[in-house]
Amino acid sequence: KAGVTQTPRYLIKTRGQQVTLSCSPISGHRSVSWYQQTPGQGLQFLFEYFSETQRNKGNFPGRFSGRQFSNSRSEMNVSTLELGDSALYLCASSWTGLSYEQYFGPGTRLTVT
Amino acid sequence: SQQGEEDPQALSIQEGENATMNCSYKTSINNLQWYRQNSGRGLVHLILIRSNEREKHSGRLRVTLDTSKKSSSLLITASRAADTASYFCATDHPDTGANSKLTFGKGITLSVRP
Repeated sequence: KAGVTQTPRYLIKTRGQQVTLSCSPISGHRSVSWYQQTPGQGLQFLFEYFSETQRNKGNFPGRFSGRQFSNSRSEMNVSTLELGDSALYLCASSWTGLSYEQYFGPGTRLTVT
Repeated sequence: SQQGEEDPQALSIQEGENATMNCSYKTSINNLQWYRQNSGRGLVHLILIRSNEREKHSGRLRVTLDTSKKSSSLLITASRAADTASYFCATDHPDTGANSKLTFGKGITLSVRP
């Protein structure tokens, strides 16, 4: 069974631009969650989607948004990029939600210049 | 806010020795999970222990949970160089409306010397 895939793997953007990251979960998984990882703040929960609905949200500004499609694939968008948004963005999927084993993708390394 | 706090922050041991890592948290949990991350890659799930369990084993891994002390420990026995990685505990906390949030600690860097 294929693992969680994330595209693109690396991205360089300029301050003020917007970016969209994509995540394809493991087949059959309906929960997709997103995390931001930085050296200073560590791993922080962004949001979780289940059956196309945002079920949980972390403490991030409204510039961070996401969505999930009917095939469970998910995208996250960051608008008006700031230097502090430079991070590794990780996507994880699971059968039913955060109370279960999470399968992580390799991440998208975003650099904002 | 960070819930899981791992201890120590860094650990260096010789191959063949045991490695013990600890995690403490602040509020009640549904479960606690341990993950491993190699060099800024994605995380790999190691083990999940539910709030009503006290101990769990998986291969060379042993996890304990003490809900009265709000703490967990991960023991890796007979360590190998390939165990060199960062280890995170993640706590699943019940929220209002029965939804949950998964909160990661800052991680422990384990170095296993050949």
